[in-house]
Amino acid sequence: DIQMTQSPSTLSASVGDRVTITCRASQNINTWLAWYQQKPGKAPNLLIYMASNLESGVPSRFGGSGSGTDFTLTISSLQPDDFAVYYCQQYNSYPYTFGQGTKVEIE
Amino acid sequence: EVQLLESGGDLAQPGGSLRLSCAAPGFSLSSLAMSWVRQAPGKGLEWVSSISGSGRNTYYADSVKGRFTISRDSSKNTLFLQMSGLRAEDTAVYYCARGGVAAHFWFDPWGQGTQVTVSS
Repeated sequence: DIQMTQSPSTLSASVGDRVTITCRASQNINTWLAWYQQKPGKAPNLLIYMASNLESGVPSRFGGSGSGTDFTLTISSLQPDDFAVYYCQQYNSYPYTFGQGTKVEIE
Repeated sequence: EVQLLESGGDLAQPGGSLRLSCAAPGFSLSSLAMSWVRQAPGKGLEWVSSISGSGRNTYYADSVKGRFTISRDSSKNTLFLQMSGLRAEDTAVYYCARGGVAAHFWFDPWGQGTQVTVSS
């Protein structure tokens, strides 16, 4: 199975900060990677697919990069609505696997 | 608007069974891969099962293999997850999610989730 490791697990930041979350796969997954945002009590919401493609309707302050085993989600200027948990997910091969999540908190 | 509506979650006894449903008003599930993902209380996301667009191929997490069965009914435009041999560790919110037509797919959109609680 492909293991997905996110860092950090928790991130404290202020509105306006640039935030970076990393995700590392235990083996090459090309660009078969998605990022999701989840708010308390809600279903996850797709932000990025194919490692760097912004889902329609997602603000342009969100960006994804990487290929192979190392990936990054960047929020260029953190907004109040962005405080949430973020997950990466590989869909290169079954079993599809998620990172453990990164909680973005208000500093 | 693309919507997925799960139902069927309930309190079940260990060893018991439940069938979850996922309806898709407004779009056709036919030819699209579909999946179930769960989230235990206070935990992260865990992929459970997927079914190919044709319905011929199914995939399961090791943790549910042999106990859960994913299926679809095109006439009802509904996805199912038959759960048997339930264990306490199956307690979670279960989400259905749409995939795509390609071999590799992300999950979008997700349903609102249905709560499954396994307890005596």
